[in-house]
Order: sequence, then C-alpha cells, then structure tokens
Amino acid sequence: AQSVTQPDIHITVSEGASLELRCNYSYGATPYLFWYVQSPGQGLQLLLKYFSGDTLVQGIKGFEAEFKRSQSSFNLRKPSVHWSDAAEYFCAVGRIQGAQKLVFGQGTRLTINP
Amino acid sequence: DADVTQTPRNRITKTGKRIMLECSQTKGHDRMYWYRQDPGLGLRLIYYSFDVKDINKGEISDGYSVSRQAQAKFSLSLESAIPNQTALYFCATSDFIQGQGSYNEQFFGPGTRLTVL
Repeated sequence: AQSVTQPDIHITVSEGASLELRCNYSYGATPYLFWYVQSPGQGLQLLLKYFSGDTLVQGIKGFEAEFKRSQSSFNLRKPSVHWSDAAEYFCAVGRIQGAQKLVFGQGTRLTINP
Repeated sequence: DADVTQTPRNRITKTGKRIMLECSQTKGHDRMYWYRQDPGLGLRLIYYSFDVKDINKGEISDGYSVSRQAQAKFSLSLESAIPNQTALYFCATSDFIQGQGSYNEQFFGPGTRLTVL
C-alpha cells in the first residue's frame, strides 16, 4: 500500500532563511505527488504537483519541489521564507490507476522567527 | 464566493447525537471526498464519490455514512457521535480530465471543526 512520511513534525526557521521540508513516499510505480499548505483556520491549498516530466517543479508562493525516484523523495524548498509562510504543510501521493485517492503525510508545522 | 463550502464551520455536540456535515460545490466536479484531520495523523479518507450513483468507503469509514444528494452536494453523517470522532473534517472535490492520467488536483473546503463531548 502506498504511504507518505514527513519526518519533521515541527520546523522553525528565521525569516529570510532557506527552507526544506522532507517527504518520503512508498509506492510501487511512478506516483503522482502533491504538496498542500494549510494556513491557520483555513482549508488546504495546492502548492505544486508532480505527474511526470521535469523532476523539478515550480509552485505558487515561490516554492519548488524535486522528485527523486532513487530516494523516493519529494522535498519542498523555498530559498527565502516570509512570515506569511507559517503554516502546516502536507505531502500527498496518489495512485495512477483506479480510485483517485490521495494518501497524506502527517504534516509539518512551520514556524517563522522574526 | 468560495467554490467548496462546508456547513457548519464549528459544531459542539454530545455523545450519542446524530450529526450531519454538509458540503456544496460550484466547481461542477463529479468527484467528491470526505476527510478527517487529526493532529499528527494528517488527513485520512472517510468516503468518496465519483458521481451521484457511486459511493465508496475510504480507510476509516466505520461510524460514518454519506449521501450524495446531487452532483454538487455530498453530506457526511455521524449516526451516533462518540468523543474520538472529535476532529477537523474536510470536504474536497476533483475533476477528471483524460490525458492527465487518471489523476487531478483536489480542491478543499474550509473545514468543519467537530467536538463531541
């Protein structure tokens, strides 16, 4: 069965610093991969997605993620974080065939220090 | 106006009560989903529906039921609420477009915070 692991439950970075959030997945074939962000009191918003092609994908709000098949990873990065990036981030994997379902990681809560 | 709406946004109820959470969408999507979010567990799928005649159980459907009243409406019911159903509940929708595999982005509502005392 497919699964997603986000090893870091909580990360704190200073405003202006770079950010990397880790995501590892378990899946038998090429997965569809997503990063969502949940701001306090809000629903989930899609940051970016990977289906195929270029393994470095660009998303909204200056985020990017790189798919590394050899490491079963899809880490999210941002070169310089802003206070407004404080939120919870979820990585998710989806099946290619059959049921269109997402499996989510546990989430990483990001705190920004001024 | 929001594309995916959920009512109520907050609800406090007592053990044993019947509760219905409602979801409506104006995106014209056929596929709708119900998730629950618990701290440290991420989002887990309760039920999903690919059209008004298609209802499927997700990974944690026990204690829940759903109704797809129309393409735009998908309700989640707790027949007899219990405290461990206290959680944040999300509805989501997605479209299906050939040529992108069988996978498309899911769009989420703002969530319903349910507390069962």
